[in-house]
Amino acid sequence: DQQVKQNSPSLSVQEGRISILNCDYTNSMFDYFLWYKKYPAEGPTFLISISSIKDKNEDGRFTVFLNKSAKHLSLHIVPSQPGDSAVYFCAASVDNDMRFGAGTRLTVKP
Amino acid sequence: NAGVTQTPKFQVLKTGQSMTLQCAQDMNHEYMSWYRQDPGMGLRLIHYSVGAGITDQGEVPNGYNVSRSTTEDFPLRLLSAAPSQTSVYFCASSYYRDSSYGYTFGSGTRLTVV
Repeated sequence: DQQVKQNSPSLSVQEGRISILNCDYTNSMFDYFLWYKKYPAEGPTFLISISSIKDKNEDGRFTVFLNKSAKHLSLHIVPSQPGDSAVYFCAASVDNDMRFGAGTRLTVKP
Repeated sequence: NAGVTQTPKFQVLKTGQSMTLQCAQDMNHEYMSWYRQDPGMGLRLIHYSVGAGITDQGEVPNGYNVSRSTTEDFPLRLLSAAPSQTSVYFCASSYYRDSSYGYTFGSGTRLTVV
């Protein structure tokens, strides 16, 4: 069963606008939630994380929001840049068992 | 500073052949793991290790073996390759029990079984 779901396979955004990537999970035991970015022919790279005891974490242009009651998290990128074009994976972890979503391909158009 | 190094980058196997995917890290990370990436399914955990001499199964362990004799190395063995094992394999590492920093991934091994 897929415990972490990204229901949008792709997203296209204009440069300078906000990108919002969404993720849902089913296991209430997850204690960390993470976002990774992946370019073609490379491994995923860690972007930002949030603990289950928080509802928001910011790092520069990237902000992750966590809604535990809805079992939902989102990644906001503001402003979006063409270099942000990549596949973004949502992940959730408990006791070093990290589960990943299927990914959302973000395209930022100049 | 190499990070996580995976070899080979590409491999074609015939059904029934065996092989070992190599993974090495130079960051003194206790935790290492193997994932496979398939279209529409994200990354799925195959096996993981929390330290030398300790390994455990993930979501999809069947058909794979691992061992961890040193902190640095975590090879993945395919015992008898099947077409269903055609995938991209990623090795990852991190400090144990500190998921907040995320994993460091290798660049992957693309395996095709014919």
